[in-house]
Amino acid sequence: KQEVTQIPAALSVPEGENLVLNCSFTDSAIYNLQWFRQDPGKGLTSLLLIQSSQREQTSGRLNASLDKSSGRSTLYIAASQPGDSATYLCAVRRGSSNTGKLIFGQGTTLQVKP
Amino acid sequence: NAGVTQTPKFRVLKTGQSMTLLCAQDMNHEYMYWYRQDPGMGLRLIHYSVGEGTTAKGEVPDGYNVSRLKKQNFLLGLESAAPSQTSVYFCASTHGQATEAFFGQGTRLTVV
Repeated sequence: KQEVTQIPAALSVPEGENLVLNCSFTDSAIYNLQWFRQDPGKGLTSLLLIQSSQREQTSGRLNASLDKSSGRSTLYIAASQPGDSATYLCAVRRGSSNTGKLIFGQGTTLQVKP
Repeated sequence: NAGVTQTPKFRVLKTGQSMTLLCAQDMNHEYMYWYRQDPGMGLRLIHYSVGEGTTAKGEVPDGYNVSRLKKQNFLLGLESAAPSQTSVYFCASTHGQATEAFFGQGTRLTVV
């Protein structure tokens, strides 16, 4: 059974720091991995989708990497800002499934202090 | 650019009452999903649909029913609400089985 883990559960950093959020999964047979952002009381906003054949995806100050063989993904946030404060979720799609179901980690809650 | 729209956004039910949550997407997506989000449990899949007229059970389907009569709509029904169904419900859709997922803003349901 695929399990997705995000450590740490919470992180607090001063503004301007570069930071890395971690996501690990137990079964390396995945289609892809998607990173989301969730603001309090809001829905999930897609940040990056990285396919199993890719090593990296970038969008602005965000860079997601994927190492399928070790079951790990990282989300790198450059020059963090208070507006980056949110919960970040990663989710994987199993390679053996044709349903597109996502399996989520429990998220990392990030606080960026001014 | 509506994307995925959920109705209602908030609801309070008494135990035993029924209700239907509506999810509508305007992206012509084939796949649609209902998740619930609970503290300490993360997001869990309730039911999903891989196309108009199809539905299937997810991880936590008990107490819920769904219908996908039109491609753009996915309905989640609670026939007899229980306090254990107090949660935040999210609908999502994707074009294909391996494409980017888009989520609605959620429905916060409280069962008293």
